[in-house]
Amino acid sequence: QSALTQPPSASGSPGQSVTISCTGTSSDFAKYNYVSWYQHHPRKAPKLMIYEVNERPSGVPDRFSGFKSGNTASLTVSGLQADDEADYYCCSYVGNNKWVFGGGTKLTVL
Amino acid sequence: QVQLEESGGGVVQPGRSLRLSCAASGFSFSSYGMHWVRQAPGKGLEWVAVISYDGKNKYYGDSVKGRFTISRDTSTNTVFLQMDSLRVEDTAVYFCAKDRLWEYFDSWGQGTLVTVSS
Repeated sequence: QSALTQPPSASGSPGQSVTISCTGTSSDFAKYNYVSWYQHHPRKAPKLMIYEVNERPSGVPDRFSGFKSGNTASLTVSGLQADDEADYYCCSYVGNNKWVFGGGTKLTVL
Repeated sequence: QVQLEESGGGVVQPGRSLRLSCAASGFSFSSYGMHWVRQAPGKGLEWVAVISYDGKNKYYGDSVKGRFTISRDTSTNTVFLQMDSLRVEDTAVYFCAKDRLWEYFDSWGQGTLVTVSS
């Protein structure tokens, strides 16, 4: 399974919104609505931010939202805050007991 | 709350073996699948392996299949990753993660660093 494609970087000023895309090449990515997103601050444990395309775990602010259409998923962070600066990874279950991650996007809050 | 703590990382020569451990607490360990995910230096996350809640089903990423073995011990709430025939490209921080619905990873540890170098 090929990795999912994410832009290497994204940025925005405090209070602005930024959207990170995640594109898959296989039909399995389009078939399954099991896209999740993880926030990773260096040297810390990754944190689940979105699951099943657009569901937020308890405790994750509603500034974080997800979407998927066909082979492309996206994560939108609204009302950017300094602590949002981190690496973000998309991931999808792609069937046959396999999971695949995107290459990660470094989000910078200007 | 859920806690996952990896251990066992270190420096090892190519071709040698290493066993990683992940101690779990704060949830009903025997009810959940567990994963290993790794991150090579300067690279993104890569899914490595999963074991089902009862230990009966195990699956691996293509890059480690046949060399790595995942297992679990419900008496100590620990999941293991036995890594054999290690290669330089296995150098990475290895995270354990708790499975949810065989869809995503809802809790992660902080990782343990494995360096494969001669």
